[in-house]
Amino acid sequence: QKEVEQDPGPLSVPEGAIVSLNCTYSNSAFQYFMWYRQYSRKGPELLMYTYSSGNKEDGRFTAQVDKSSKYISLFIRDSQPSDSATYLCAMSALQGAQKLVFGQGTRLTINP
Amino acid sequence: DGGITQSPKYLFRKEGQNVTLSCEQNLNHDAMYWYRQDPGQGLRLIYYSQIVNDFQKGDIAEGYSVSREKKESFPLTVTSAQKNPTAFYLCASSTPGLAKNIQYFGAGTRLSVL
Repeated sequence: QKEVEQDPGPLSVPEGAIVSLNCTYSNSAFQYFMWYRQYSRKGPELLMYTYSSGNKEDGRFTAQVDKSSKYISLFIRDSQPSDSATYLCAMSALQGAQKLVFGQGTRLTINP
Repeated sequence: DGGITQSPKYLFRKEGQNVTLSCEQNLNHDAMYWYRQDPGQGLRLIYYSQIVNDFQKGDIAEGYSVSREKKESFPLTVTSAQKNPTAFYLCASSTPGLAKNIQYFGAGTRLSVL
C-alpha cells in the first residue's frame, strides 16, 4: 500500500463547477500538507500549504485536512479553464529530513 | 528574479553515456532535491542534500549520482547504469525554519534515450 493515495483521474468538469480533489494517507506522523499545481511539461507550483488539521482558504481555493480520517481535500470554486492542470498532494512528517511524499496526481480539465 | 533554473530543458542520451542535468538556485535555500516523474505518476525522490558537501539517497538512487560543492548548485548525473532513464526530472529547494517542508520547483528537464 502506498503511503499517499490519490485518484489519478482524469477528471473533467464544466466551467464554473466546484471541484473536489482528495488524497488519503496512512502515516499518522504527517503534519505538513501541500497541494501543488502542475501544468503540462512544467514544474509543480505550490498552491496551498497547511500545517496540522483544519481549513485554509485562498481566493477560489480551499484546503481541508482531517487527520482523524487521514484525508485531505482541495476545493476549487468557480472553476476556470485556466485551472486545467494536474494537481499533486504532498505531505511530510514534523521531524526528519524534510522529505515530501507525493500522491500520484489528479489530471483535471475544465471545459468552457 | 529569485528562482530555480534547470538546464537543459531537453536532453538526449545515447546508449552507455553519462549525462549531467544542471540545477541552480538563487533563493539562498539550504536544502535541494532531485525527483523523477514518469507519465501519470507522482514524484519519486532520487537524492537530496540538506547542506553543502553532504547528500543522501532517496527512494530510487540507483544509477544516479550527485554533488553539492556550492549552496546554489546541485547537479544530477544519470549514469549508464540507469537502464530506464527516460523521464521528466525535477529539481527543488526548500527554506529553513518553520516552513522547511515547503519545496519550490524548477521547470524540469525532459530526458530521452536515442
